[in-house]
Amino acid sequence: RKEVEQDPGPFNVPEGATVAFNCTYSNSASQSFFWYRQDCRKEPKLLMSVYSSGNEDGRFTAQLNRASQYISLLIRDSKLSDSATYLCVVLSGGYQKVTFGIGTKLQVIP
Amino acid sequence: EAQVTQNPRYLITVTGKKLTVTCSQNMNHEYMSWYRQDPGLGLRQIYYSMNVEVTDKGDVPEGYKVSRKEKRNFPLILESPSPNQTSLYFCASSSQRAGPTDTQYFGPGTRLTVL
Repeated sequence: RKEVEQDPGPFNVPEGATVAFNCTYSNSASQSFFWYRQDCRKEPKLLMSVYSSGNEDGRFTAQLNRASQYISLLIRDSKLSDSATYLCVVLSGGYQKVTFGIGTKLQVIP
Repeated sequence: EAQVTQNPRYLITVTGKKLTVTCSQNMNHEYMSWYRQDPGLGLRQIYYSMNVEVTDKGDVPEGYKVSRKEKRNFPLILESPSPNQTSLYFCASSSQRAGPTDTQYFGPGTRLTVL
């Protein structure tokens, strides 16, 4: 089983739609979780950290479920500019080991 | 401007010819890391450094070397490149002493082709 698993997609959604991605992780001792965004083989950029209590940043909501070992990202009112690959990132091993999921590709269609 | 720079951005080389990809950050970050990104495999960590003179292996260190003699620089060395090292390489840095618990800032990437 992969340490961090994501559905690679692509997810094709119309503008204005709500879309959700999940990411599962295998190490129950994992400590920190993030969502990064990557545009077309450019460098990844932090979208948001994921906290146990859940957190929201505008149209984006991230959730952590430790019991089931997954994190989620919800995007409301999708924009064309949201088209990108969304990478799930998990830290473990005393915060030193960084594991990326393969990414979920989102295409927002006019 | 706060940034991570990598050079070269593109490189085509031949098997066995030693090469170095440089990485430099101007944010006084303790933590630096190298990743490679391959289709279907995502980003995988090659080496990381918690601070000057402290380096550790990531998930795929074979065939690579690194050094951290200064805080700002973290070069990636391929002593004898092979075609399976053809990939997109990213350097990243983060400010947290305990590791990248905060934002990792990535360089623009180096696309390496080994013939």
